[in-house]
Amino acid sequence: DSGVTQTPKHLITATGQRVTLRCSPRSGDLSVYWYQQSLDQGLQFLIQYYNGEERAKGNILERFSAQQFPDLHSELNLSSLELGDSALYFCASSSAGARPEAFFGQGTRLTVV
Amino acid sequence: GNSVTQMEGPVTLSEEAFLTINCTYTATGYPSLFWYVQYPGEGLQLLLKATKADDKGSNKGFEATYRKETTSFHLEKGSVQVSDSAVYFCALRAQGGSEKLVFGKGTKLTVNP
Repeated sequence: DSGVTQTPKHLITATGQRVTLRCSPRSGDLSVYWYQQSLDQGLQFLIQYYNGEERAKGNILERFSAQQFPDLHSELNLSSLELGDSALYFCASSSAGARPEAFFGQGTRLTVV
Repeated sequence: GNSVTQMEGPVTLSEEAFLTINCTYTATGYPSLFWYVQYPGEGLQLLLKATKADDKGSNKGFEATYRKETTSFHLEKGSVQVSDSAVYFCALRAQGGSEKLVFGKGTKLTVNP
């Protein structure tokens, strides 16, 4: 168990809809990262939050947004969903300081039909 | 930009065979290097890491040595087991700057009894 919790594990929704994915980081970790895993693109970094503030942005679509709350949990919002958004979405967390590794949750499998 | 190239599988071995999965990287300075493993239906688990040149990361019989001169971090195991069947990802975190992980495309390993 990595200590990172993601909900829900599976999500099936229709095109055009909006969904919210939730992540609780490991206790004490200030950084939260979101990644998308798809067969054709592999693992792609979407966005990072550190202690409530956006720190880095990757290949995140304008239809997607995220936030990190005061209790450090994070949500990834995906809107106007398209078939191509079907993927596994991972959250990871890491601590500040010298340890560079990130710990991943089990992921949310999103299927857009 | 930073990138990771790893041998693409699938790789199929018999139990007790020797495993090598090649990984090379492109990055300035001294990135931190990682191997993550993804078992079927699960999230990514940190397998091992190395943070400076000539460091050897090891865990569960797997090893990888940070080779700055060849910009490589090859994963090895002397005797694989059926339970090692999974997808293995090589990743880097750049020195300074962005804390995101950059992943290779993954190598699927199947070990047959």
